[in-house]
Amino acid sequence: EVQLVQSGAEVKKPGESLKISCKGSGYTFSTYWIGWVRQMSGKGLEWMGIIYPGDSDTRYSPSFQGQVTISVDKSIDTAYLQWSSLKASDTAMYYCARGYCSGGVCYRTDAFDIWGQGTMVTVAS
Amino acid sequence: QSVLTQPPSVSGAPGQTVTISCTGSSSNIGTAYHVHWYQHLPGTAPKLLIYRNTKRPSGVPDRFSASRSGTSASLAIAGLQADDEAYYYCQSYDTSLSGSGVFGGGTKVTVL
Repeated sequence: EVQLVQSGAEVKKPGESLKISCKGSGYTFSTYWIGWVRQMSGKGLEWMGIIYPGDSDTRYSPSFQGQVTISVDKSIDTAYLQWSSLKASDTAMYYCARGYCSGGVCYRTDAFDIWGQGTMVTVAS
Repeated sequence: QSVLTQPPSVSGAPGQTVTISCTGSSSNIGTAYHVHWYQHLPGTAPKLLIYRNTKRPSGVPDRFSASRSGTSASLAIAGLQADDEAYYYCQSYDTSLSGSGVFGGGTKVTVL
């Protein structure tokens, strides 16, 4: 079964660092883009950024550039989203999602076909 | 404020057809970038409903259909059912944002 499994909920204080993970299974992880999506409480989905595990090509939304870091360890089929200094406004649900591929061709701008279950991040003093 | 504009809510009686619009601009839907649609029930992961403007993944009923024209796209849900009650999001990419992805603000579909 193709799936993305995310790490568990986190409760952190402002200023702390955090790295959450997204592990893929059931497919060749290195050949599919992985994106990250934020949903703040009561709000819509926000596209944060995307990474290609094969060569770590990474693109960020301007809204999130410099605020988070997306990385990958393809040896363990895992993508990461990290913060160096959390703010209360980072409190949200974070989803990872796999980019769609067709016939072995995977466009960075394609849909997200498989989603992780989400990781809730709470930042409060 | 989302780059892609959706109505906050639409509603319909069971069996009816509802349509959700997604209005963009010449830097996103008006380009060659595809439009995708997702269904999201609170507390669960979003689900891909339509990819590449009009295509349905396997398992998605043909009651769901989508179209795209100019700088807008739309999703239609025919034969509305109680379990269609959810949030629906359009998504594309935007050249003015260095090619990054963008979501619409989301539309809550209520089955009356």
